[in-house]
Amino acid sequence: AQSVTQPDIHITVSEGASLELRCNYSYGATPYLFWYVQSPGQGLQLLLKYFSGDTLVQGIKGFEAEFKRSQSSFNLRKPSVHWSDAAEYFCAVGDTGGFKTIFGAGTRLFVKA
Amino acid sequence: DAGVTQSPTHLIKTRGQQVTLRCSPKSGHDTVSWYQQALGQGPQFIFQYYEEEERQRGNFPDRFSGHQFPNYSSELNVNALLLGDSALYLCASSYGTPNTGELFFGEGSRLTVL
Repeated sequence: AQSVTQPDIHITVSEGASLELRCNYSYGATPYLFWYVQSPGQGLQLLLKYFSGDTLVQGIKGFEAEFKRSQSSFNLRKPSVHWSDAAEYFCAVGDTGGFKTIFGAGTRLFVKA
Repeated sequence: DAGVTQSPTHLIKTRGQQVTLRCSPKSGHDTVSWYQQALGQGPQFIFQYYEEEERQRGNFPDRFSGHQFPNYSSELNVNALLLGDSALYLCASSYGTPNTGELFFGEGSRLTVL
């Protein structure tokens, strides 16, 4: 069965520091992979997506992610974090059968001044 | 361009009652998916509607049912509410099916069951 694991429940980084959020997935074929962000009291917003091709994908707000098939990972990175990046981040895999998207449990990012 | 809109934003019910949540998809979208997000958890897939039919259902009991209207809007109904149904219910829209899983979410309906 497909699954998504985000090993870190929460992470704290200093403003201006780099960020990496980890994501591992279990899927039988090459999946569609996503990162979404959820600010308090808000719905989820798509940050970036991977379908095929270049394994390093760029997203909005300066985020990028790298697909590593050998490690079944899709880690999210940002070179310099801003206080406004504090939110919950969800990694997700899209069922290539096309109906459901499976989300990880999320990683809460705290940014300290 | 209106995004995904959900109503109501908050509601409180008691055990055993029934609730209906509503969703209007983003303009141009024809597929609606519903997710349940319990506190501290990621969203869990309930079901997806396309062409007024349920295309796939997640691991939720029959107490959870839905409907899609010709204008693509959708309703989620939950009968015989349990305390454990307290959660944020998210509607997500997309175009076509099978789709790529790229979803546009509403801000959710926060259901509290007492």
